Amino acid sequence: AQKVTQAQTEISVVEKEDVTLDCVYETRDTTYYLFWYKQPPSGELVFLIRRNSFDEQNEISGRYSWNFQKSTSSFNFTITASQVVDSAVYFCALIVGIPWYNNAGNMLTFGGGTRLMVKP
Amino acid sequence: NAGVTQTPKFQVLKTGQSMTLQCAQDMNHNSMYWYRQDPGMGLRLIYYSASEGTTDKGEVPNGYNVSRLNKREFSLRLESAAPSQTSVYFCASSERQALRMGYTFGSGTRLTVV
Repeated sequence: AQKVTQAQTEISVVEKEDVTLDCVYETRDTTYYLFWYKQPPSGELVFLIRRNSFDEQNEISGRYSWNFQKSTSSFNFTITASQVVDSAVYFCALIVGIPWYNNAGNMLTFGGGTRLMVKP
Repeated sequence: NAGVTQTPKFQVLKTGQSMTLQCAQDMNHNSMYWYRQDPGMGLRLIYYSASEGTTDKGEVPNGYNVSRLNKREFSLRLESAAPSQTSVYFCASSERQALRMGYTFGSGTRLTVV
């Protein structure tokens, strides 16, 4: 069975600080997909990024960057120069297997989430 | 706007009452899901429907039933609500062969059972 662990339950930073959210995953499959979602105070879940197990390239999107390391089974998320609007709960999630062969409907397994509070 | 629509947004039930949470998507997705979100536990899968006409149990199915009414709609029923079912419920959908965006989630239903 697969598992996603987000050891940091809450992080508090001051605006403009950099912050890294940790995500560690467990799976025996060699093919899998990792995701990050943001849940702002309004409650909806917003997709941020998808990464598949064959692509270990780091990715940068504006102030956001992701570091995928298969050797440590980690998929960490860094926000550079944090802003108050970044305050939210962030979830890391995992799908295993090859989706189009998987009749189980591509089930996402979520970590427990990290609540990020950015203070002005 | 295209997406996943859940109703109602808020609900308070008394222990033992029943209710159905409605979910509809207009993206022609094959797969639909019901999750519950509890503090510190992330989202846990209750039931899913890989395609129209099929439903299967997820991680926490006890106390719930589902119906995949058609390709668009996937409802979740609580037959006899219990305080342990107080939670935020999310419906989601996905296109099986295209995980570019992961799942698309509804805005959630906040359910309180007293």
